[in-house]
Amino acid sequence: DQQVKQNSPSLSVQEGRISILNCDYTNSMFDYFLWYKKYPAEGPTFLISISSIKDKNEDGRFTVFLNKSAKHLSLHIVPSQPGDSAVYFCAASGEEYGNKLVFGAGTILRVKS
Amino acid sequence: DVKVTQSSRYLVKRTGEKVFLECVQDMDHENMFWYRQDPGLGLRLIYFSYDVKMKEKGDIPEGYSVSREKKERFSLILESASTNQTSMYLCASSLTGHRSEKLFFGSGTQLSVL
Repeated sequence: DQQVKQNSPSLSVQEGRISILNCDYTNSMFDYFLWYKKYPAEGPTFLISISSIKDKNEDGRFTVFLNKSAKHLSLHIVPSQPGDSAVYFCAASGEEYGNKLVFGAGTILRVKS
Repeated sequence: DVKVTQSSRYLVKRTGEKVFLECVQDMDHENMFWYRQDPGLGLRLIYFSYDVKMKEKGDIPEGYSVSREKKERFSLILESASTNQTSMYLCASSLTGHRSEKLFFGSGTQLSVL
């Protein structure tokens, strides 16, 4: 059973609007969360992260929100740009997993111009 | 920036063949990882290494082995390739291996086993 779930396989957004990508996790021992972005024919690249001691982290157009009680995090991209079109992976880690990350299945974001 | 290089972009192999996937990183990172990416399953950890000649099993090590004879190089070995090992294989590295640290990925090797 997947411990990190990205229930939306794809999302389509108009350029300039907000993109919201969601991620749910089942293990309450996860305490660090990361988002990676992947373009076709390239490896994933780190985008933004958040520790469980925070509920929000912002980096330019990208903001990650964490709701620990709901075991839910979301990535907001404002404003969305065509270059943001990629696959976005949510990942989680916890001390009981050592140095391993648990990844979600990914969400394909398409930003239309 | 860290560069993680995977030797092949595409590979086609036959069932039963022994397959070597090579990965080299140029930033003196201690930790290296092998993942496979499959549609609907995301990235799953096969093996990782935190030091030369050291290795740890990930979540799906069955059918795979690894070798790390030099710090910069981490090889994934499919002892006898099977069709269910057709996948995108991604190598990654990190400096300290702490779970909060970001990973640097290679571009991936798309392996097809016929």
